[in-house]
Amino acid sequence: KQEVTQIPAALSVPEGENLVLNCSFTDSAIYNLQWFRQDPGKGLTSLLLIQSSQREQTSGRLNASLDKSSGRSTLYIAASQPGDSATYLCAVRWEDKIIFGKGTRLHILP
Amino acid sequence: DTGVSQDPRHKITKRGQNVTFRCDPISEHNRLYWYRQTLGQGPEFLTYFQNEAQLEKSRLLSDRFSAERPKGSFSTLEIQRTEQGDSAMYLCASSFQGYEQYFGPGTRLTVT
Repeated sequence: KQEVTQIPAALSVPEGENLVLNCSFTDSAIYNLQWFRQDPGKGLTSLLLIQSSQREQTSGRLNASLDKSSGRSTLYIAASQPGDSATYLCAVRWEDKIIFGKGTRLHILP
Repeated sequence: DTGVSQDPRHKITKRGQNVTFRCDPISEHNRLYWYRQTLGQGPEFLTYFQNEAQLEKSRLLSDRFSAERPKGSFSTLEIQRTEQGDSAMYLCASSFQGYEQYFGPGTRLTVT
């Protein structure tokens, strides 16, 4: 059975710190993995998409890595800011389905 | 084209009524997805279309749910005989092929 897990469920860190969010998945035969941000009561904003053949993607202060063999992806956020406070979700696509994790609620303390 | 749009943004209905939601994808995207999200959970996949063809349906999509994309552009999601358990945020996303998905703002459904 394909599953996606995100740990931790919630995280609070002081402003300026670097941090890592984790996403793990069963079944390494994925097509791609996408990281999203969601603000309360809002839709999802795409952050980074990693194809199965790629190891990492970068956008500004964000870096996402993918290790298919171990079933893991990490989202690294550098120099965190209060505006980064949100829920971060990873979504894994296999041939026949897309499964989201439950997300990590991130709170950046000013 | 500024992104994926959904209408209405909020819907309150009484149990047993039918509701219909609309999603307008990014114009050049051929795939359109519907998800449902409840509080504290990630979105759950419901169904997706490639052009006008509905290619995948989740077991979550009971007989009371139906989705259409008649001309390969906008899509509608109808829920018949709504139940309180249908209360959720309904999200639509679009993509070109299986690439990056872009989400709309969602329709929040409350069934009383």
